[in-house]
Amino acid sequence: EPEVTQTPSHQVTQMGQEVILRCVPISNHLYFYWYRQILGQKVEFLVSFYNNEISEKSEIFDDQFSVERPDGSNFTLKIRSTKLEDSAMYFCASSESAVLNEQFFGPGTRLTVL
Amino acid sequence: SQQGEEDPQALSIQEGENATMNCSYKTSINNLQWYRQNSGRGLVHLILIRSNEREKHSGRLRVTLDTSKKSSSLLITASRAADTASYFCATVRNTGGFKTIFGAGTRLFVKA
Repeated sequence: EPEVTQTPSHQVTQMGQEVILRCVPISNHLYFYWYRQILGQKVEFLVSFYNNEISEKSEIFDDQFSVERPDGSNFTLKIRSTKLEDSAMYFCASSESAVLNEQFFGPGTRLTVL
Repeated sequence: SQQGEEDPQALSIQEGENATMNCSYKTSINNLQWYRQNSGRGLVHLILIRSNEREKHSGRLRVTLDTSKKSSSLLITASRAADTASYFCATVRNTGGFKTIFGAGTRLFVKA
């Protein structure tokens, strides 16, 4: 069964460093998403992406964040200068359509900022 | 205000009992979905109900949606220890980009 994959599973970085989180969505999906979940809290929407551009973003997704689909398979989230409060699980998801929007989630990347 | 608030926050039941979780939301929606998350893992989609639907079934799951009250419920019948997880409702609004908002979740513990 096709699945969304994410790498790395755990990333440790120093405050102020740049990190890139990688995702490989399901191959025939057209809509891609990033979410984060701070430990013990709710899943928070960051951004949705379609047709090589951002279609929606939350107030969390400020200038420190960017997304890219550098090739036909990868979908990346970059945090330019990490802060302590960026420590969280980051989930990538993809869906076949936006209207039905059943999203398939990856296993997540745990980001720890020291 | 929060979109997608679940109650109860935590629920502990015996295996074989039914579990009911509720979700309320504040704005108009395109559809509402329920997801499950095992501790520290990714979310698994359970069921989607569209705004023009009132009830939907999938195996041991039953979801209802009342758009006049802006609420939904998820019923898990004949619960099993393996159902122990957190359950989240997610509302999808057509804001041009279909923003998905998750609630805080209900932590379900099913005792064997």
